[in-house]
Amino acid sequence: GENVEQHPSTLSVQEGDSAVIKCTYSDSASNYFPWYKQELGKGPQLIIDIRSNVGEKKDQRIAVTLNKTAKHFSLHITETQPEDSAVYFCAARGGGFKTIFGAGTRLFVKA
Amino acid sequence: GAVVSQHPSRVICKSGTSVKIECRSLDFQATTMFWYRQFPKQSLMLMATSNEGSKATYEQGVEKDKFLINHASLTLSTLTVTSAHPEDSSFYICSAIRGRGNQPQHFGDGTRLSIL
Repeated sequence: GENVEQHPSTLSVQEGDSAVIKCTYSDSASNYFPWYKQELGKGPQLIIDIRSNVGEKKDQRIAVTLNKTAKHFSLHITETQPEDSAVYFCAARGGGFKTIFGAGTRLFVKA
Repeated sequence: GAVVSQHPSRVICKSGTSVKIECRSLDFQATTMFWYRQFPKQSLMLMATSNEGSKATYEQGVEKDKFLINHASLTLSTLTVTSAHPEDSSFYICSAIRGRGNQPQHFGDGTRLSIL
């Protein structure tokens, strides 16, 4: 079945710096890749997603890139702010509705 | 935007009690809803997928008689933890997909279940 690996597990950056989180997936049939942000005690919130027919997508300070050949996708956050501190999950979905999540990255943005 | 409401947000009850958690899609019809369990500092573990009007599909290792799921309408799914025990204590999160096709999955804010 599909497997999604996410790195790093913990990431600490200075406010204003960029943060990059990387994921790999195993199922070449996966065609939808969402990213979620989860704050303490809350459910995950969709922050950006990308489909397999697109290589890059940007929304203000957040961007996602996808390399289908290498089965890699990454989240880039620029000009990080303390409120960006949270756990981020990547995920991959294939032909069905089942979404496989990565293990999560705990991002700390130091003021 | 798509909003998923989950209630209650926190439950504390005695061992042996059955607990019902509700998940509602507030501004869209959700033909498919999902129930997840999340342990501290871990990822989301899919428990079951429920489609409106049909039986839920449970993941391997999840007891369907323990975790009863009902998806009676396009906006409501419920998870009932029957005869809950301390090992059932966890953070339970529901999510829903709007309509059909390859749409984003939206999550509720979770239910913290604590069994004494």
